[in-house]
Amino acid sequence: DADVTQTPRNRITKTGKRIMLECSQTKGHDRMYWYRQDPGLGLRLIYYSFDVKDINKGEISDGYSVSRQAQAKFSLSLESAIPNQTALYFCATNQDGYGYTFGSGTRLTVV
Amino acid sequence: QQQVKQSPQSLIVQKGGISIINCAYENTAFDYFPWYQQFPGKGPALLIAIRPDVSEKKEGRFTISFNKSAKQFSLHIMDSQPGDSATYFCAASGSARQLTFGSGTQLTVLP
Repeated sequence: DADVTQTPRNRITKTGKRIMLECSQTKGHDRMYWYRQDPGLGLRLIYYSFDVKDINKGEISDGYSVSRQAQAKFSLSLESAIPNQTALYFCATNQDGYGYTFGSGTRLTVV
Repeated sequence: QQQVKQSPQSLIVQKGGISIINCAYENTAFDYFPWYQQFPGKGPALLIAIRPDVSEKKEGRFTISFNKSAKQFSLHIMDSQPGDSATYFCAASGSARQLTFGSGTQLTVLP
């Protein structure tokens, strides 16, 4: 099994719908992150969590929310999806802030 | 505001050649500079990283060169191989250990 598992791998949704992207990790790490990847923009930080009770906004948190259900689970929600949220979303984890382990990503299309 | 600027956006190199990707940063508080490699359909994976107390770090065919005064660092891939074809991201972080990524370079190594 992968160290970081993201579900779904691909999703097409309609404008205005609520959608949740899920992430689970088996590394036993405390820190988890959600990034968004867009062509030509690299990866941008949406939210991050250093433990179950610690949630922090990243660079581009507007329109997104997160939930840290357990040390191993960190989900990202789009409350009302819009087309410019079409992107590749990555979950990542690390223990000490250095070697990030990324999942394989969720490709989200909002039509 | 892009704190880490990466160039070129794309690079084509012949097998056996040297691939060079450059990054420049603005935030002098950054003290950790990793490079990530991403293959299609996969998440980024840590390739090599450097701290600013050294000017160069080499791991196999991959070398990071770091110029603290110029606030620049680069990745050199010696004897480039078709299997090196991927997207490469530079990144930087400070004491909070949140990575700021460059925009990415798509490397193609021709056989």
